[in-house]
Amino acid sequence: GEDVEQSLFLSVREGDSSVINCTYTDSSSTYLYWYKQEPGAGLQLLTYIFSNMDMKQDQRLTVLLNKKDKHLSLRIADTQTGDSAIYFCAENASGGSYIPTFGRGTSLIVHP
Amino acid sequence: NAGVTQTPKFRILKIGQSMTLQCAQDMNHNYMYWYRQDPGMGLKLIYYSVGAGITDKGEVPNGYNVSRSTTEDFPLRLELAAPSQTSVYFCASSPPLHFGNGTRLTVT
Repeated sequence: GEDVEQSLFLSVREGDSSVINCTYTDSSSTYLYWYKQEPGAGLQLLTYIFSNMDMKQDQRLTVLLNKKDKHLSLRIADTQTGDSAIYFCAENASGGSYIPTFGRGTSLIVHP
Repeated sequence: NAGVTQTPKFRILKIGQSMTLQCAQDMNHNYMYWYRQDPGMGLKLIYYSVGAGITDKGEVPNGYNVSRSTTEDFPLRLELAAPSQTSVYFCASSPPLHFGNGTRLTVT
């Protein structure tokens, strides 16, 4: 079945770049997403990329998609302490129910 | 720009009580979902809907019911609440997938 895998933790210094990686198995994925969840809060849609794209940039966020390796990454430039949160990768297969599959989340800790 | 709206934000139920969690979206999305998230855990799909009048079970449907009479609304019904249903409940719609802010439910 479909699976989405992420590393569980990432620690960076304020001002550095963060790169969060994700691998997925469903080759029919249409949408690939990144969500941010702060403690006690909901899932905020950060950005998403269509499967026919290789890259998407939105201010400090850059998403790279390698379809051949089924690898998705989120780069956060100039990481701030306010970026500390759990980041979920998700993919949404095309057609049918569009049921998304989520990774377990990467906890990003930003040190001052 | 309301997106996905969930009510209530918080609720405490006694064991055996029932309640309905409300969810509405204004993006004209066909697909809607209910998830639960237990502390420190990921998301588990309870029910989903691919359009008005059509619903189907997800991974953990027991103890819950849904209906989808309109495109906009997708309420989740808890009958005979149990402590195991203490969780945070998220409603979502797609595509692309947007979440509501969640309902924090405690059953005591």
